[in-house]
Amino acid sequence: EVQLVESGGGLVQPGRSLKLSCAASGFTFSNYYMAWVRQAPKKGLEWVATISTSGSRTYYPDSVKGRFTISRDNAKSSLYLQMNSLKSEDTATYYCAKPPFAYWGQGTLVTVSS
Amino acid sequence: DVVMTQTPPSLSVAIGQSVSISCKSSQSLVYSDGKTYLHWLLQSSGRSPKRLIYQVSNLDSGVPDRFSGTGSQKDFTLKISRVEAKDLGVYYCAQTTHFPYTFGAGTKLELK
Repeated sequence: EVQLVESGGGLVQPGRSLKLSCAASGFTFSNYYMAWVRQAPKKGLEWVATISTSGSRTYYPDSVKGRFTISRDNAKSSLYLQMNSLKSEDTATYYCAKPPFAYWGQGTLVTVSS
Repeated sequence: DVVMTQTPPSLSVAIGQSVSISCKSSQSLVYSDGKTYLHWLLQSSGRSPKRLIYQVSNLDSGVPDRFSGTGSQKDFTLKISRVEAKDLGVYYCAQTTHFPYTFGAGTKLELK
């Protein structure tokens, strides 16, 4: 059974950093692209980042490019999202997803507020 | 960016009724490999999204055949036959043909 478990969310001040993690199991992690998707409170879904199987290729929307970095450790079956220079508009539940959105974690809430 | 326009924003249905949700993209979703990467997701209240249909018309494992997806190029439809209570929630279309990946704004399916 595919399982994705996110962690690392919390309350952070604007301008600070936070790193999210996603532990994957139930499939051969190293064979799949992986992604992060977020959902602001009471809002829709927004794709945040995608990473290739080896980690050599990464993709971001303009809204987070240059501030967020997706990475992975295939030996640990883990996915990460380093978020820098956080803004209030980054407040959301962040989901780890196995593309194309086939499986999702339970999400971790990030609140950016002073 | 590809804009995904979903209609209607909400639907009130009676159990057993059939409904359709439209999703239109601002660009063709046909990829260079000839496939169309348009998917449908359901987010039930308080839950993570769940994919129901991938590549326009392919049902995910465990999804009842009351759900069906049709369409091509820029115009897509999700149909739910004989709606059940467990079908309620917000439906999203999503495209993974072009970066950045984009979602529709969602259609909330509620009980009448």
